[in-house]
Amino acid sequence: QQQVKQSPQSLIVQKGGISIINCAYENTAFDYFPWYQQFPGKGPALLIAIRPDVSEKKEGRFTISFNKSAKQFSLHIMDSQPGDSATYFCAASIDSGTYKYIFGTGTRLKVLA
Amino acid sequence: GAVVSQHPSWVICKSGTSVKIECRSLDFQATTMFWYRQFPKQSLMLMATSNEGSKATYEQGVEKDKFLINHASLTLSTLTVTSAHPEDSSFYICSARGGSARGGYTFGSGTRLTVV
Repeated sequence: QQQVKQSPQSLIVQKGGISIINCAYENTAFDYFPWYQQFPGKGPALLIAIRPDVSEKKEGRFTISFNKSAKQFSLHIMDSQPGDSATYFCAASIDSGTYKYIFGTGTRLKVLA
Repeated sequence: GAVVSQHPSWVICKSGTSVKIECRSLDFQATTMFWYRQFPKQSLMLMATSNEGSKATYEQGVEKDKFLINHASLTLSTLTVTSAHPEDSSFYICSARGGSARGGYTFGSGTRLTVV
């Protein structure tokens, strides 16, 4: 129940294409869903996050789509650029109490120039 | 503010020695700090949660006596890997809750520990 399943494990996209990464969860108590970007040897940095009361959130080229009934959410990177090449993690938390994050397994994205 | 400084960024130590990693919130008071461990090409696994002035809460399977966490102030938490062995080699990352960071959390830049 505490797992967050993420797919695909790796993704190769042409420059200008759309990168799509999917996550699924089981625990309906989760109420905060962030996406993090991590470059090699660095800590994760928050990209965008969503709460279950909205179905979509867009910030620049990054969009989260959220399907509460299916308990799934996804990250779309529009107009993907080589600089987007990194590992992306979805996460879920209960935004009260311990505030612990449960991270997905990660997706290594490579955008070809 | 929302800057977390983690030090050192990398360390090599001999098997059997202890290593201390520091995590500091530079411009805010961190009510809670978290320690993660990350193996190459794998996800972040939460090791423990620490609140200032109280004992850390360890996740299942994490050895408390092996990974000592101290959160003595609202701006500093330390992780000490005691009697390190090669299997402890990993990337350790802290995060701090508080400040004005988007999402309320700020991650440190991580520490690459290599035990030889």
